[in-house]
Amino acid sequence: AQSVTQLDSQVPVFEEAPVELRCNYSSSVSVYLFWYVQYPNQGLQLLLKYLSGSTLVESINGFEAEFNKSQTSFHLRKPSVHISDTAEYFCAVRHIQGAQKLVFGQGTRLTINP
Amino acid sequence: NAGVTQTPKFRVLKTGQSMTLLCAQDMNHEYMYWYRQDPGMGLRLIHYSVGEGTTAKGEVPDGYNVSRLKKQNFLLGLESAAPSQTSVYFCASSYRASGTYEQYFGPGTRLTVT
Repeated sequence: AQSVTQLDSQVPVFEEAPVELRCNYSSSVSVYLFWYVQYPNQGLQLLLKYLSGSTLVESINGFEAEFNKSQTSFHLRKPSVHISDTAEYFCAVRHIQGAQKLVFGQGTRLTINP
Repeated sequence: NAGVTQTPKFRVLKTGQSMTLLCAQDMNHEYMYWYRQDPGMGLRLIHYSVGEGTTAKGEVPDGYNVSRLKKQNFLLGLESAAPSQTSVYFCASSYRASGTYEQYFGPGTRLTVT
């Protein structure tokens, strides 16, 4: 079975500051890794994913995440945040085979202060 | 395309009442999922379906039933609602094809059981 731990439930930062949202996972089998974002009163949207290849993956809006197999981590980073990045961020994993069931972390609420 | 839609958006039930949540997708996805979202717990899988006429239990199936009579619809039923089922419910869908891994989420249904 897989499990995901997001180490921070809330992260407040000032606009234009860098941010890192931490995610660690546990699994006895190979997994794919995802970050989803949930803007207020909306459903979840895929932000980025790691399937294979380069361990650094990027999103179209400036976020990046690095897969670290030895530390079983998939932390999300952005060098300079904007007010519009205010949202809840979920890390998720799934087995590389089977019914594509996602296991989510508890979520991290990112609040951007002006 | 509408993507994934959920009906209703909000509902208040009294303990012991029953209701059905409807999820519809117009992307011809084979896989469909029902999750519940609770504060500090992320999203947890209730039931899922890998095709028309087939369903399976997820992480937290007790108190819920599902049906997938048509490929585009996935119904979640509560036969006798309990306050512990107060939550936000999300439906998601995805392709079965090995080259696609994203789950597409609906906007959610906020259910309160009093």
